Amino acid sequence: DVKVTQSSRYLVKRTGEKVFLECVQDMDHENMFWYRQDPGLGLRLIYFSYDVKMKEKGDIPEGYSVSREKKERFSLILESASTNQTSMYLCASRGTSGGPRSETQYFGPGTRLLVL
Amino acid sequence: ILNVEQSPQSLHVQEGDSTNFTCSFPSSNFYALHWYRWETAKSPEALFVMTLNGDEKKKGRISATLNTKEGYSYLYIKGSQPEDSATYLCAFLNAGNNRKLIWGLGTSLAVNP
Repeated sequence: DVKVTQSSRYLVKRTGEKVFLECVQDMDHENMFWYRQDPGLGLRLIYFSYDVKMKEKGDIPEGYSVSREKKERFSLILESASTNQTSMYLCASRGTSGGPRSETQYFGPGTRLLVL
Repeated sequence: ILNVEQSPQSLHVQEGDSTNFTCSFPSSNFYALHWYRWETAKSPEALFVMTLNGDEKKKGRISATLNTKEGYSYLYIKGSQPEDSATYLCAFLNAGNNRKLIWGLGTSLAVNP
């Protein structure tokens, strides 16, 4: 079974702090994703990575950056946390595209971040 | 703008009731439709990947149908149980080189014992 883990389930930070959210997957997947989920807005893609050291902006990258130094690890960085970044953050991974089923994403349990 | 809509937004049913909800998606440029279940405090989990018009998938008491010509998919739960309580998400995958999952907002199901 694919396992995607996230470093924290709950996190409380202050405005202006630098925040690191870590995600690790154990299935040798090339593609990894960071989403945020807010009530009424659904899952929104922040960044994704299709290979080590490669990254692409998603729909809402402003205020975030990412790092993918190793294949299994994808980090989301909030350079200077703001209250509007209070949200549930979900990491996901998937293997190489090779048909509709291979596009299935495997999710971590989420990190609920509160920025005060 | 590609839009995926799910209805209803939330649903409360009694244990044993059967229920269904809808996912509407663009009828052009279709590649696949994914259904996920997201239980509270757990990871979203893939339920079905649907690709062909008329597709019907089943997993225990949960089944789904697909109509790509009119752009909708139904998810059915027969004899709902409290453990079915979750948010059910659908995601449309467009054809082409820039394939991207477009997510619906989900249907939140609560099954009362």
